[in-house]
Amino acid sequence: DGGITQSPKYLFRKEGQNVTLSCEQNLNHDAMYWYRQDPGQGLRLIYYSQIVNDFQKGDIAEGYSVSREKKESFPLTVTSAQKNPTAFYLCASRRDASSYNEQFFGPGTRLTVL
Amino acid sequence: DAKTTQPTSMDCAEGRAANLPCNHSTISGNEYVYWYRQIHSQGPQYIIHGLKNNETNEMASLIITEDRKSSTLILPHATLRDTAVYYCIVRVAGAGGGADGLTFGKGTHLIIQP
Repeated sequence: DGGITQSPKYLFRKEGQNVTLSCEQNLNHDAMYWYRQDPGQGLRLIYYSQIVNDFQKGDIAEGYSVSREKKESFPLTVTSAQKNPTAFYLCASRRDASSYNEQFFGPGTRLTVL
Repeated sequence: DAKTTQPTSMDCAEGRAANLPCNHSTISGNEYVYWYRQIHSQGPQYIIHGLKNNETNEMASLIITEDRKSSTLILPHATLRDTAVYYCIVRVAGAGGGADGLTFGKGTHLIIQP
């Protein structure tokens, strides 16, 4: 089956630790995105990548880092500099960033920092 | 991207048509209207999008007013599984300018009643 996978579904970490969230897609999509969702709120864009080896900051990039070494993978690291990391994190992909196509979302990772 | 206004919540009886309104009075000529939905604790799912003509697919219909300042998403025969938060998003199709991501507001919580 084609799609986007995020792992793990639930993640617990101690305050001050860096943590990396996985996002993999086998849709052969060029563009990938990371969003954060807080309870009762909409999604906010953290980082996005329109092509391999390139990525751009979104609206709330502080305290986060990403890499895009492979087309199918776009991991997100939540660093200790992120002041309020507990949230629901969603990864998405799009066929390419220049046409009228929709974003496909993964199932999300719920991160809780204790 | 133009701002959108949606009701916080709506109820609809199972089997009836669910009509979800969205106001986007500041929409510009090259901005599309997109609809996504998010079932609790899952990633958002694309439903439909349009520019100025009405659109229909297997999930829903999108009616855009002639002045494009508002739109309505119609789920023709709502089922219990349609209970979700529905997001109306307005943005330039493709990369556009600025951050290439979707701006999600709080959406409309649609509750389908048995």
